[in-house]
Parts: sequence; C-alpha cells; structure tokens
Amino acid sequence: KQEVTQIPAALSVPEGENLVLNCSFTDSAIYNLQWFRQDPGKGLTSLLLIQSSQREQTSGRLNASLDKSSGRSTLYIAASQPGDSATYLCAVDEGGYNKLIFGAGTRLAVHP
Amino acid sequence: SQTIHQWPATLVQPVGSPLSLECTVEGTSNPNLYWYRQAAGRGLQLLFYSVGIGQISSEVPQNLSASRPQDRQFILSSKKLLLSDSGFYLCAWGETSNEQFFGPGTRLTVL
Repeated sequence: KQEVTQIPAALSVPEGENLVLNCSFTDSAIYNLQWFRQDPGKGLTSLLLIQSSQREQTSGRLNASLDKSSGRSTLYIAASQPGDSATYLCAVDEGGYNKLIFGAGTRLAVHP
Repeated sequence: SQTIHQWPATLVQPVGSPLSLECTVEGTSNPNLYWYRQAAGRGLQLLFYSVGIGQISSEVPQNLSASRPQDRQFILSSKKLLLSDSGFYLCAWGETSNEQFFGPGTRLTVL
C-alpha cells in the first residue's frame, strides 16, 4: 500500500531564506507527483506537477524535483516571503486516474 | 478558464440527519471528478471518483455515497450522518495523468 511522508511537519523561518520541503513515497510505480499549497480553511492550490518521466519542474521561485527510483521529491522555495506561509502538500498518482494519495503536509511559517 | 464551485461553504447538521453537498465545474467537458475528505488530525483521503455520468467508484467503505447526474455535477450524500462524518470536504476535477484542481471546500460539523 502506497504511503506518502512529508518532512518536516512544521517549519518556521525568517523572510529571505531558501527552503527545502521533503516528500517520500514507498512505491516507486507512480504516474505523477503533484505539490499543492493550502491556506487555512481553504481549498488546495496546485503548484507543480511532475510526470513520472520528468526530473524537475519550475514555476517562479518554486522548483520541484523527482527521484522516482528512490521514492523522493523535494520542493525548493527560493527567497521565502511571509506570503508563502501555508501548508504544503505532496500527492502521488499511482493508478493513472489521478486518484491522489496525500502526505500529511508541511506547515510553513515565514516571519518578517 | 475552468472554475469549480462547492456549496454550501459551511454546514452544521445533527447526527442522523441527511446530507447533500454539491460540486459543479465550469469550462471543461467530461472531467474526472473527485471527492476528498480532510478530517481533523488526518490527511486528505479520496472518497469517490467518477470518470463519467453515472460512473462512480468508491475508494473507502463509509456512510456516504456519491452521484453524478450531469457531466459537470458531482454530489456527495448521506442518509444518516455520523459524528465521524465531520470534516472538510473537497471536490476536485482533473484529466487522467494531469493536474488536479480543487474547489473551495465545505466545512461539515456533525453534532
């Protein structure tokens, strides 16, 4: 059974720091991996999608990498800002119908 | 562009009462549709998904059911709510092996 783990569970940093959030999954037979952001009480916002054949994706200050063979993905946030404060979730699609299996998330707080 | 709506935004219901949550998608045709639940202290869990009208797959045994009466409408229901049904319910749409997009969610409290 696929399990997704995110480390750390929570992170508090000063503004301007570069951050790395980690996601690991137990079964490497995935179709894709997606990173989301969730603000308190809100739905999820899609950040980056990495297909199983890709190694990384970039969007603005965000860069996500995927090492399928080792079951790991990282989300790199450059020059963090207070507006980046949110919970970041990773999810894998192992069935091809986008039936996502989520990690518990990393709660990020960026303080001025 | 695509938009996904959910209502109501919040709901407080007594134990044993029925439930109906609605989700509609605009700007796309024949999407895959999903219901997830985010319970307090637990991660997001997929409840149901649908690849077309009338086609529903249940991912976990539970007190809930789903229906898809129209291409872009997805409904989550229960005949009798339990305390354990409380949570944040999220509807999502996507295309196979592509990005998934989520609605704003419904906060359900069962008392």
